Amino acid sequence: EAGVTQFPSHSVIEKGQTVTLRCDPISGHDNLYWYRRVMGKEIKFLLHFVKESKQDESGMPNNRFLAERTGGTYSTLKVQPAELEDSGVYFCASSGSNSGNTIYFGEGSWLTVV
Amino acid sequence: AQSVTQLGSHVSVSEGALVLLRCNYSSSVPPYLFWYVQYPNQGLQLLLKYTSAATLVKGINGFEAEFKKSETSFHLTKPSAHMSDAAEYFCAVSDRNDMRFGAGTRLTVKP
Repeated sequence: EAGVTQFPSHSVIEKGQTVTLRCDPISGHDNLYWYRRVMGKEIKFLLHFVKESKQDESGMPNNRFLAERTGGTYSTLKVQPAELEDSGVYFCASSGSNSGNTIYFGEGSWLTVV
Repeated sequence: AQSVTQLGSHVSVSEGALVLLRCNYSSSVPPYLFWYVQYPNQGLQLLLKYTSAATLVKGINGFEAEFKKSETSFHLTKPSAHMSDAAEYFCAVSDRNDMRFGAGTRLTVKP
């Protein structure tokens, strides 16, 4: 069974540009999460989807970040316009009733804004 | 609200020595607790998890952790460190809706 997959694995963009990160959760997982780790600091929660609905988006840093999960399957996280402080690793994770409530993480999307 | 505190951002041990990484949690409901490891330039890998079954949990690579409710702790241990254990370790707590991480502990293993 495929795990949580994220694309792109690495991205380098200029300040002011737009980047869209994609996450495909484990099949059948209703819960999808975005986390990020900036500049070697702690891993911070961004938001949580249950199917296509945003359950909790309290961690979204500002309105330059937009997350969507159309159809309750894959999710995208768009950063527009990107700033230098957005550099870091963006982790996606998923969980479901068939995973014993364990949250499984993807490999992360490594974003560098220059 | 739930949170975890990892004591010590950096831990250094000699190869073959005991590894002890400390984690204390706060949760308003019986928690699920996890340890994840991140090797350089890799993603998060689940080491082990506590979900209210046995209080002593064994994970991969010889790691184990003990849930102590009275101390609100979930420390990670390994009897004998290997060079390959050098990585960053994260303790996390979940209330079944989402997960909160500690700041991480970077483990260095000296030859």
